Amino acid sequence: DAKTTQPPSMDCAEGRAANLPCNHSTISGNEYVYWYRQIHSQGPQYIIHGLKNNETNEMASLIITEDRKSSTLILPHATLRDTAVYYCIVKTNAGKSTFGDGTTLTVKP
Amino acid sequence: NAGVMQNPRHLVRRRGQEARLRCSPMKGHSHVYWYRQLPEEGLKFMVYLQKENIIDESGMPKERFSAEFPKEGPSILRIQQVVRGDSAAYFCASSDISTYNEQFFGPGTRLTVL
Repeated sequence: DAKTTQPPSMDCAEGRAANLPCNHSTISGNEYVYWYRQIHSQGPQYIIHGLKNNETNEMASLIITEDRKSSTLILPHATLRDTAVYYCIVKTNAGKSTFGDGTTLTVKP
Repeated sequence: NAGVMQNPRHLVRRRGQEARLRCSPMKGHSHVYWYRQLPEEGLKFMVYLQKENIIDESGMPKERFSAEFPKEGPSILRIQQVVRGDSAAYFCASSDISTYNEQFFGPGTRLTVL
C-alpha cells in the first residue's frame, strides 16, 4: 500500500471549512484514497473514499488532484464534535488499512 | 442494524495469563480485521480473516498471538502469556466486499496487563 503524508496538527474555527491535506505521491492506479477519523479513544469512523473523481457525502467532500498524488478532505462547516485525529489511507479495494500518524484537527469556538 | 461489537470493553490480566478478545462483525459481513493501538500511537494492522480462513497475518507477532474466525460465532484474538507491552487498545473492524471494503470499526477492547 502507498505511503501517505499528513500534517501532524491543524486548527479550525467553529463554523468554518476545515481542509485537511494528504500527499500520496506513490499511489498506484488501482489504489483508493480513504479517510477515517478517530474521536478521542473511540473506534475509527469511516468518512469517505474515492478513486479519481471528487466525492461528496453527508459528512465531507474529497478532492483528488488530477495526477492523484494528493487529496484534500473538506469538512464544510466544522463543529466542536469534529475535533479528532483524521487518517488518510491509500489502499486497494480489499485488505488491510495502513494507518499513519494522521492529522489532529482541533476545532475552536 | 447493530454495528461491530467487541467484548469485553476492558480487560485486566496479570503477566503470564491469557487474554481472549471477541469481535462480532456487522450482520452480513464476512471479513474481519484486527488492529492494535498502543498508547499515544496510531493503529497498527494485525490480521485479516474471512470465515474460517486467515487471509493476511503480516502484522501479527510471531509468538503468543493467534486469531480465528470460525464458521459460527465471533472472531477471537487470543494472546497467551501476556506481558506488560501487550497493554493496548485492540480494535476489530468488519467489511463486506460489496461495499468497496470500507471497514466499520468496533469500540475496542482495552487490555491492561499488570
